[in-house]
Amino acid sequence: EAGVAQSPRYKIIEKRQSVAFWCNPISGHATLYWYQQILGQGPKLLIQFQNNGVVDDSQLPKDRFSAERLKGVDSTLKIQPAKLEDSAVYLCASALALAVHEQFFGPGTRLTVL
Amino acid sequence: AQTVTQSQPEMSVQEAETVTLSCTYDTSESDYYLFWYKQPPSRQMILVIRQEAYKQQNATENRFSVNFQKAAKSFSLKISDSQLGDAAMYFCAYAGGNTGNQFYFGTGTSLTVIP
Repeated sequence: EAGVAQSPRYKIIEKRQSVAFWCNPISGHATLYWYQQILGQGPKLLIQFQNNGVVDDSQLPKDRFSAERLKGVDSTLKIQPAKLEDSAVYLCASALALAVHEQFFGPGTRLTVL
Repeated sequence: AQTVTQSQPEMSVQEAETVTLSCTYDTSESDYYLFWYKQPPSRQMILVIRQEAYKQQNATENRFSVNFQKAAKSFSLKISDSQLGDAAMYFCAYAGGNTGNQFYFGTGTSLTVIP
């Protein structure tokens, strides 16, 4: 069974530039999550999808971050414009359904904002 | 909001010895799940073990076991016969029945295994 795929693995940009991350969850997983993991901290949830609908985006900085999962499969997370404090690893995870509590994580995208 | 606390930023253990990683959490929910995830340097988080709060029996997965103390809101991970491959960041996580499978993570414990 293929795991959660993410790309790119690494990205370096300058502040005020835009960046996008892509995630392909495990086939058949209805629930998808984006986390931000700042160095030395645990992952923090940014947004949670159930199929193509948003379940929770209360911790997403909506003035600069956006995410979509239009067809209920792949998802993209965008930052526009980036700030220095956005430097982090962005993790995507998926789960079979909302009621199933095991999440499977992708390898992450390490973003460096200069 | 739920909080998860890991008070040990770093731990070390001799190969083949046993180590215990601590985790405490705060919640008002009665139905929830607790997890330990391992994150090796390659960054992919891997589930180590899970515990359902309604189960009194502590979960065990081969060399990994937990000590779940519901009243004390404590959830420690014991690694027996430590191996070099166990070196990683370990995160304790909470998922509540009322939070739609949202995970709350601790800050992690970096485990070093000394040959």
